[in-house]
Amino acid sequence: NAGVTQTPKFRVLKTGQSMTLLCAQDMNHEYMYWYRQDPGMGLRLIHYSVGEGTTAKGEVPDGYNVSRLKKQNFLLGLESAAPSQTSVYFCASSYPTGGLSPLHFGNGTRLTVT
Amino acid sequence: AQSVTQLDSQVPVFEEAPVELRCNYSSSVSVYLFWYVQYPNQGLQLLLKYLSGSTLVKGINGFEAEFNKSQTSFHLRKPSVHISDTAEYFCAVRNDYKLSFGAGTTVTVRA
Repeated sequence: NAGVTQTPKFRVLKTGQSMTLLCAQDMNHEYMYWYRQDPGMGLRLIHYSVGEGTTAKGEVPDGYNVSRLKKQNFLLGLESAAPSQTSVYFCASSYPTGGLSPLHFGNGTRLTVT
Repeated sequence: AQSVTQLDSQVPVFEEAPVELRCNYSSSVSVYLFWYVQYPNQGLQLLLKYLSGSTLVKGINGFEAEFNKSQTSFHLRKPSVHISDTAEYFCAVRNDYKLSFGAGTTVTVRA
């Protein structure tokens, strides 16, 4: 099993450009999450989804949009990238136990916005 | 909303020495706590969790943590570390059906 796969692994954007990060999981998990990781700040939740067709805002949703059209995929979009969005982005998935079962993480996408 | 505070940002330690990583949480009626580990250039993986029951929780790779309600702490310990334990460690608390993570503690094990 591949687990949670994130594409791309690295990306450099210019300010104002747009992009979509793709997360795919093959574990039939209901819940999926997007986090960003910044030095000294740990992981902060951007958006999450509790099932196909549903999304919700996390702690830091501004400047991002998400979609969950298929159960196995969770897309994170940046419509107009800003330098403050330079970060490492992690996708995770889990069973629907409200955070009590382990989160399975991808290996991250390192995004630089210049 | 519940939160966790990791008291040490960096912990250098020699191989085969013990290590303790400190985590305090904001008080609540019920609390669910976790420790995750992140090896270089990888995502996070679960080390151990406290949901209820015994306050001493054992995890993978020889780690254990003790839930202390009176001190609102959930410190992670390992009696003897290996070079391969070099990683970043995150304490997390369940918060309204989601996880909130601490800022992380970087453990560097030296020979």
